[in-house]
Amino acid sequence: DVKVTQSSRYLVKRTGEKVFLECVQDMDHENMFWYRQDPGLGLRLIYFSYDVKMKEKGDIPEGYSVSREKKERFSLILESASTNQTSMYLCASSRPLAQQETQYFGPGTRLLVL
Amino acid sequence: SQQGEEDPQALSIQEGENATMNCSYKTSINNLQWYRQNSGRGLVHLILIRSNEREKHSGRLRVTLDTSKKSSSLLITASRAADTASYFCATVANTGFQKLVFGTGTRLLVSP
Repeated sequence: DVKVTQSSRYLVKRTGEKVFLECVQDMDHENMFWYRQDPGLGLRLIYFSYDVKMKEKGDIPEGYSVSREKKERFSLILESASTNQTSMYLCASSRPLAQQETQYFGPGTRLLVL
Repeated sequence: SQQGEEDPQALSIQEGENATMNCSYKTSINNLQWYRQNSGRGLVHLILIRSNEREKHSGRLRVTLDTSKKSSSLLITASRAADTASYFCATVANTGFQKLVFGTGTRLLVSP
């Protein structure tokens, strides 16, 4: 059974804190993605990675960075959390386009920044 | 942005009825996918239709794609209370890296 896990379901942080969101997949997928989901805006892509140590900006990368040191793990970092980063964060993984395009999602992390 | 738009934003039906959700997008696509999200959870892939396909079935799901109108529809037949969820369409562009671009979703409520 395929599995994408995220380190926390709920997280409360203070403005200015550094926040780490971890995502691990056990499917040996090359591609990994971080999205945020906000009411009325759907899912928006923050960053993605198509290989270890590779990263690409998505549509809304400002205020975020990522790290992919191992194939199975993709971390999202909020260098200095702000209240407008309160959101639901979803991680996903997939095989390369030529093999399979379906993305598999983790359960999400609901982050509240006070 | 080629972000899709789902229509309606919310849909409320009785068990046993059919539910139809529509999706429109803006640019040429390689494929279009539908995902389901239960409240507060991650997304689950339902079905994928390629740009050269017009219709696809999977169990109680039927998806159509009209590339000339840049639109797709998802039909859930004989709905059940367990179908209550949000449904999102997502497109993969014809060129560039495989990125999913999601619509804003349709919230479906199926009452017993």
